[in-house]
Amino acid sequence: RKEVEQDPGPFNVPEGATVAFNCTYSNSASQSFFWYRQDCRKEPKLLMSVYSSGNEDGRFTAQLNRASQYISLLIRDSKLSDSATYLCAVNQAGTALIFGKGTTLSVSS
Amino acid sequence: EPEVTQTPSHQVTQMGQEVILRCVPISNHLYFYWYRQILGQKVEFLVSFYNNEISEKSEIFDDQFSVERPDGSNFTLKIRSTKLEDSAMYFCAHGRGDRTYEQYFGPGTRLTVT
Repeated sequence: RKEVEQDPGPFNVPEGATVAFNCTYSNSASQSFFWYRQDCRKEPKLLMSVYSSGNEDGRFTAQLNRASQYISLLIRDSKLSDSATYLCAVNQAGTALIFGKGTTLSVSS
Repeated sequence: EPEVTQTPSHQVTQMGQEVILRCVPISNHLYFYWYRQILGQKVEFLVSFYNNEISEKSEIFDDQFSVERPDGSNFTLKIRSTKLEDSAMYFCAHGRGDRTYEQYFGPGTRLTVT
């Protein structure tokens, strides 16, 4: 099965910083794209789906570039509570999610 | 999104024993999945279940594994003759199967094989 690659991290940023995560996927047939957040030893929680036109949810903005097979997540005004591992995931029409290894974010005061 | 429950939260078993992990998904969801995550590694797909049948399975999902929906609600993953390398978090996930294809994960079962 083809892979999903993410920035290795970790990202260590101060509160209030803007941070961006990148993700590339190798299967051009991928149809759905997601960012999940995972806290230590917890389940992945869906943060946001990523739409072709890009989408924003509060401080979080996701972008998709199908031509380059590239997904990004931008977090503005980082909070301490944003500290977690961010997982990129792709699938084809309701099939198995293929996850990246995740990028760890640590926000400090 | 409503929760999916999983039991037990932690299971310790000896190598060679059989374990059954349980998931109670939301009844109006169509797609169910099992994933595992070995400590420090990525989340890996095991199997998907649609309309009470396996719809897709990975290379990991060999004859050691089986899935059932014995009573139409609970959804089980059975691991026969566990090995040390089966130690992992096992997550059940569900999806509505609508055009969003979003999947929502349960809290997981931590399986420790000794």
